[in-house]
Amino acid sequence: GAVVSQHPSRVICKSGTSVKIECRSLDFQATTMFWYRQFPKQSLMLMATSNEGSKATYEQGVEKDKFLINHASLTLSTLTVTSAHPEDSSFYICSARKGGSSNEKLFFGSGTQLSVL
Amino acid sequence: EDKVVQSPLSLVVHEGDTVTLNCSYEVTNFRSLLWYKQEKKAPTFLFMLTSSGIEKKSGRLSSILDKKELFSILNITATQTGDSAVYLCAVRGNDMRFGAGTRLTVKP
Repeated sequence: GAVVSQHPSRVICKSGTSVKIECRSLDFQATTMFWYRQFPKQSLMLMATSNEGSKATYEQGVEKDKFLINHASLTLSTLTVTSAHPEDSSFYICSARKGGSSNEKLFFGSGTQLSVL
Repeated sequence: EDKVVQSPLSLVVHEGDTVTLNCSYEVTNFRSLLWYKQEKKAPTFLFMLTSSGIEKKSGRLSSILDKKELFSILNITATQTGDSAVYLCAVRGNDMRFGAGTRLTVKP
């Protein structure tokens, strides 16, 4: 099966610091990875689409300077929350698409619970 | 190790059929089980289940959880072509584990 590893699973940081979250596809190459934020009502909001070797595509309302995404290889995408504030506290999830078609299934990481004090 | 297993992995039916999608799990510190419909932008939330035996319904969709046997089912009655999608089961424990999804294709 396809495995996506997300680290760290939990992070607590002080306001103003930056936090990096990694998303790795362990047994397949992922040309496209997605980053989501989960809200209290369980909905998953797509933040950005990360394409290997090119700039990420951000959804409307998501600050690209605040949520830096890097997809430097076919197996790794990172999300850096810069100058985190308490309102950034949330559950962040990544997913990766195994193939090139938009119909391909997505495989999800196990999420990162970010708490900003 | 925590895991979520969905079955079948894919399913092809005709409009009007009823389908049952399965999700079994083994997770530490179970908190909730969630069903999503994978759409283009982001998975759409369908249900959250925390208690056994209580059926949740939304239109033609319904779901129930069995915490003793560690599984949930998602039923879709009178299927329509618009129901064609990948349905994801996720379980929130110490972290969040997604199943591999069931790809449902509803033919006219």
